[in-house]
Amino acid sequence: NAGVTQTPKFRILKIGQSMTLQCTQDMNHNYMYWYRQDPGMGLKLIYYSVGAGITDKGEVPNGYNVSRSTTEDFPLRLELAAPSQTSVYFCASSYQGHALAKNIQYFGAGTRLSVL
Amino acid sequence: KQEVTQIPAALSVPEGENLVLNCSFTDSAIYNLQWFRQDPGKGLTSLLLIQSSQREQTSGRLNASLDKSSGRSTLYIAASQPGDSATYLCAVTPQGGSEKLVFGKGTKLTVNP
Repeated sequence: NAGVTQTPKFRILKIGQSMTLQCTQDMNHNYMYWYRQDPGMGLKLIYYSVGAGITDKGEVPNGYNVSRSTTEDFPLRLELAAPSQTSVYFCASSYQGHALAKNIQYFGAGTRLSVL
Repeated sequence: KQEVTQIPAALSVPEGENLVLNCSFTDSAIYNLQWFRQDPGKGLTSLLLIQSSQREQTSGRLNASLDKSSGRSTLYIAASQPGDSATYLCAVTPQGGSEKLVFGKGTKLTVNP
C-alpha cells in the first residue's frame, strides 16, 4: 500500500525561486494537510483541505499556496523562496466521518527543503 | 490557544528498562490525543490514539493514558529495546474546528544495548 507519497525527498532552492511540493494519497481520504517541521520543533500546520476544491489556512500560511483539484492530490506551492522556508515539509491525510474523536492522520515521508 | 509540552526533550536508557514519556496540554477541550513515532529522515507513524472519553489505550509494549481534566498524558514503554529509539511526538485535536493537530516538540529516546 502506497499511502501518502511526497515528492521530491530533497531539494535545494535559491532565494526567490519557486517550486511545488507534490503530495498524493491513495486511501480515498477527504482531509489532507501540509505541515512544516523546523529543527527541534513540533509540526506546524500550513494549509489543510476538507475535500476537493476546498482549502483553508493553518497556523503558518504566509509564503505558501495550495490547491485541491482532486481527492488524491494536494500540492504545496512556494512562490518566492526565502531562507525562513528551510524546513522539512510533511503531507498528511485522514478520513473524516462523523466520529471526529476517532480520526488518525497518515503521514508521508517528508520533503527536506533548503533555501540558500 | 492550545499548547502542548513534552518533557523530557531527550532521554537515554539502557535496554530492558521500563520508561515513561510525558505530555501536557493547556486546554482540556480536545477530541483526542495521539502519540506518534518519528524515525530520522522518515515521516510520522501513529502509535496510539486516545479519544477524549477514554482513559487509556494499549498496543503491545506501549500503554498511553489520558487525564483530560489535568491536561496530561503519559506513554509507557515496557521492556525497552534499541529498536524503540526514535522521537516520540504527542498531539491533540482541539474541539471547535476541523481535525487540526497541535503538536508538542517531541521526546528523543535512545535505548542503549
